[in-house]
Amino acid sequence: EVQLVESGGGLVQPGGSLRLSCAASGFTFSTYWMSWVRQAPGKGLEWVANINQGGSETYYVDSVKGRFTISRDNAKNSLSLQMNSLRAEDTAIYYCARDLIGRSVYWGQGSLVTVSS
Amino acid sequence: AIRLTQSPSSLSASTGDRVTITCRASQGISNSLAWYQQKPGRAPQLLIYGASTLQSGVPSRFSGSGSGTDFTLTITCLQSEDFATYYCQHYYSYPRTFGQGTKVEIK
Repeated sequence: EVQLVESGGGLVQPGGSLRLSCAASGFTFSTYWMSWVRQAPGKGLEWVANINQGGSETYYVDSVKGRFTISRDNAKNSLSLQMNSLRAEDTAIYYCARDLIGRSVYWGQGSLVTVSS
Repeated sequence: AIRLTQSPSSLSASTGDRVTITCRASQGISNSLAWYQQKPGRAPQLLIYGASTLQSGVPSRFSGSGSGTDFTLTITCLQSEDFATYYCQHYYSYPRTFGQGTKVEIK
């Protein structure tokens, strides 16, 4: 069974940093693109970033470029999102997802990030 | 970035109704479109990809159509478990974007 479990969310002050992790199991992690998608409270979905199987290709939404870094450790079946210079508008539930030819087929349960003083 | 506009933003329907949601792209995206269902407090679930291909395990009352800039999601014979919010997403280019969502509520 495919499982994606996010962790690392919490309360952080504006300008601070946080690192989200996503532990993957039930499939061969190293053979799939992976994504992060977020959802602000009461709002719609926003694609954040994705990464290819080997970690050599990464893409970001403009609003996080230069602040967020997506990475993966295939030996540990783990996906990460390093978030720096956090802003109030980054407050959201962050989902990791397993992609297949562009679409996100499996999703984690999400991790809440709150940016507030 | 490619903009996806869904309509309506919300609708009220009854069990057994036929429901149609549209998604318009600001430029052509071929058939690189997916539809997701999201229920409160839950992660999204993939329903349709490639504009019209039903994801494994999704009931056949869901269907998708369209290509280029105009797409539709149709739910025939709405069931109680279908009351949720529906999102389209393109994967034609970067950045991927989602539509703003369509909330399907009970009439």
